[in-house]
Amino acid sequence: DIQMTQSPSSLSASVGDRVTITCRASQNINSYLNWYQQKPGKAPKLLIYAASSLQSAVPSRFSGSGSGTDFTLTISSLQPEDFATYYCQQSFSTPYTFGQGTKLEIK
Amino acid sequence: QVQLVQSGAEVKKPGASVKVSCKASGYTFTSYSIHWVRQAPGQRLECMGWINAGNGNTKYSQQIQGRVTITRDTSASTAYMDLSSLRSEDTAVYYCARAGSSYDYFDYWGQGTLVTVSS
Repeated sequence: DIQMTQSPSSLSASVGDRVTITCRASQNINSYLNWYQQKPGKAPKLLIYAASSLQSAVPSRFSGSGSGTDFTLTISSLQPEDFATYYCQQSFSTPYTFGQGTKLEIK
Repeated sequence: QVQLVQSGAEVKKPGASVKVSCKASGYTFTSYSIHWVRQAPGQRLECMGWINAGNGNTKYSQQIQGRVTITRDTSASTAYMDLSSLRSEDTAVYYCARAGSSYDYFDYWGQGTLVTVSS
């Protein structure tokens, strides 16, 4: 199975900050990398697919980049509703695997 | 609008089985696959397997293969996940999710079903 590793595991930031989360795959996954946001007690929500494509209705302050094994999710200016846990997922080969998550907390 | 609505919470004893349903609406059920993902308390999301809702083909995670069966009823636009020989480590929230693009990302998710395994 492909291992996905995110960093950091947790992050404290303030409203208005620019935040970057990284995700590394254990092997080349081309651009088969997706990002999800999960709030407590809720299902994950798709933010970014194919490494850099913004899902419909997701604010443009979210962006993704990378290919191969190294990827990033950037939030350009944090809003109060962005405090959540973020997961990367590879959909290159089954079983599709997720990172361990990055919990974004208010500073 | 696209919706996936799952069945309600379950409490089971070790060794029992559980069947969770996922009813789809707002799109052509047979044009997409349905994946099942679980999340144990404090753990990362784990893909269990998936079904091509059109032809019924399935694939399961090796970690759970042999205990999980995914089926679908096209007339009811519903997918099912059956997990047998339950153990305490199977206590988790179980989600169904739709995938269908060439990149197979999960664009719609069910609300989740909590399965608690306890004696």
